[in-house]
Amino acid sequence: SAVISQKPSRDICQRGTSLTIQCQVDSQVTMMFWYRQQPGQSLTLIATANQGSEATYESGFVIDKFPISRPNLTFSTLTVSNMSPEDSSIYLCSVDPSGQYNEQFFGPGTRLTVL
Amino acid sequence: GNSVTQMEGPVTLSEEAFLTINCTYTATGYPSLFWYVQYPGEGLQLLLKATKADDKGSNKGFEATYRKETTSFHLEKGSVQVSDSAVYFCALSPSNTGNQFYFGTGTSLTVIP
Repeated sequence: SAVISQKPSRDICQRGTSLTIQCQVDSQVTMMFWYRQQPGQSLTLIATANQGSEATYESGFVIDKFPISRPNLTFSTLTVSNMSPEDSSIYLCSVDPSGQYNEQFFGPGTRLTVL
Repeated sequence: GNSVTQMEGPVTLSEEAFLTINCTYTATGYPSLFWYVQYPGEGLQLLLKATKADDKGSNKGFEATYRKETTSFHLEKGSVQVSDSAVYFCALSPSNTGNQFYFGTGTSLTVIP
């Protein structure tokens, strides 16, 4: 299993600013994932973050808007850049410690509101 | 491709009623199937899973059986409680494309006393 924490838990930001979300895992994992959950909708994968390499972004998401860092096997950050109200969402990180598709463990999420 | 289709909500039930939330999937290969639950104000938690055909996942009175012939993984509970009020997500992990999960749109359940 894995225990994941995220900071901040919520934030209210102004249009045009950037916010960096931190994700900390209590064990070493190869792959971490960042999802977005817009109000009333399901989860959409933003990117997969491997330690020591560039993140892999899904269609519709670009590095300039959502830069990701993965400095070690227990930590990652996602930055939401040049925010607009459309970026208001819950952002979640997750991990699959087994690497065997057995289960993804999710962080509690960061609830972002952009004014 | 890979996708999950989930019964639309919201669903409102009286306490002790029987619950079914339908989930069907499209996948290449032999995926693993999951139900996650999101309680109000919280993150997603794994409720149950099944990794091969005919497996039954169960937890907290909830059950779901991996039906390959109908590509389904319906969630059931015989007697719901108010504390089961949450959003339920069906998800799959394909066997051949790494660790990406594909989620359904979620079904909101409200159980009234």
